[in-house]
Amino acid sequence: AQTVTQSQPEMSVQEAETVTLSCTYDTSESNYYLFWYKQPPSRQMILVIRQEAYKQQNATENRFSVNFQKAAKSFSLKISDSQLGDTAMYFCAFPGREGAQKLVFGQGTRLTINP
Amino acid sequence: NAGVTQTPKFQVLKTGQSMTLQCAQDMNHNSMYWYRQDPGMGLRLIYYSASEGTTDKGEVPNGYNVSRLNKREFSLRLESAAPSQTSVYFCASSRVARSNTGELFFGEGSRLTVL
Repeated sequence: AQTVTQSQPEMSVQEAETVTLSCTYDTSESNYYLFWYKQPPSRQMILVIRQEAYKQQNATENRFSVNFQKAAKSFSLKISDSQLGDTAMYFCAFPGREGAQKLVFGQGTRLTINP
Repeated sequence: NAGVTQTPKFQVLKTGQSMTLQCAQDMNHNSMYWYRQDPGMGLRLIYYSASEGTTDKGEVPNGYNVSRLNKREFSLRLESAAPSQTSVYFCASSRVARSNTGELFFGEGSRLTVL
């Protein structure tokens, strides 16, 4: 079975600090996309960042970047200069079995940014 | 910009009652999805519709039915609600046929409680 594991149920940091959320996955695919989604307290899920597995370069979106280790099947999210608005649940997601049209989500990490 | 709209946002049912969750998107997306979110389990796919006129089971389809009414609308029906179906339900859509390559756009969620 395809699985995604987020080993940190909760994390808490001070504003302006850097925080890294971890995600590991299991797949037999060679070419795929990986995603980090953010769910603020208002509940609507939004895409934070996407990584294409065949690209060597790690994706970056402003203060958000990933550390993608394909061989290790690791896909961590780094948030630099964290802000109060970054407080949310974060979900890692990746594709299921070959040919499937669906994402498999991790259990989520609840991140709290403290003032 | 409505995006993905779900109704109702909250619902309380008694065991055995039926109800339908409605979802509509105005982004001309081909694919639509229903997920449920439970604490510690991330999001799990219930059903999806890759395109108008097609529906397929996801990871946890038992106890649910869906209808892709047209390209815009995708409804989820609980025929005989059970307490195990207490959850937050999310509708999502994507432009591409494969959610594992494209961004998912989510609704705000519907919190369902079955007593």
